[in-house]
Amino acid sequence: GAGVSQSPRYKVAKRGQDVALRCDPISGHVSLFWYQQALGQGPEFLTYFQNEAQLDKSGLPSDRFFAERPEGSVSTLKIQRTQQEDSAVYLCASSLIGTGSEQFFGPGTRLTVL
Amino acid sequence: GESVGLHLPTLSVQEGDNSIINCAYSNSASDYFIWYKQESGKGPQFIIDIRSNMDKRQGQRVTVLLNKTVKHLSLQIAATQPGDSAVYFCAEKERMYSGGGADGLTFGKGTHLIIQP
Repeated sequence: GAGVSQSPRYKVAKRGQDVALRCDPISGHVSLFWYQQALGQGPEFLTYFQNEAQLDKSGLPSDRFFAERPEGSVSTLKIQRTQQEDSAVYLCASSLIGTGSEQFFGPGTRLTVL
Repeated sequence: GESVGLHLPTLSVQEGDNSIINCAYSNSASDYFIWYKQESGKGPQFIIDIRSNMDKRQGQRVTVLLNKTVKHLSLQIAATQPGDSAVYFCAEKERMYSGGGADGLTFGKGTHLIIQP
């Protein structure tokens, strides 16, 4: 079956531009997570959804970062007024039930801010 | 694709040998631990997990050991194969089930495993 998919796979933005990154979780998965992975580092948690409810956004680095999952399926991570330090791979993961079940990761979107 | 192994600790082993990858964690409240494998250009892939009420768990060719006293986790890979080349991350979670924040995984820095022919 299909895994988690993310689009675009690569995004180049000029500093100050807004970007939107999409995640399609595995069908039927209740939980959805966004992580940020800088080069040579482990992923860092950004935010968590259970269905359409954003239950934890403690990892979002600034108010320029915004995530939504309006229908409890597809999610979008939006970054406003991008800065060079936003350059990273943005990973999406989904899990069947809650936060204690296995998280399946997508391939990520590599964002480069010039 | 671009390597995710840059600037990471590296472990080089001969094909067929056993590999041991270590991880130290700092949060004594963590009660759920997972090992992930990440190949270049891909997302992390689940390998094996362990709960804090266990000290050892075995899978196919892999074993995870947990020592809560010294907050240490290790991943043993038996008979290492070329396809095992990747970056390996340990991850921890404060509570296995959600509630009150701390819902995401906390990842370590990773170890780049290189298999020599």
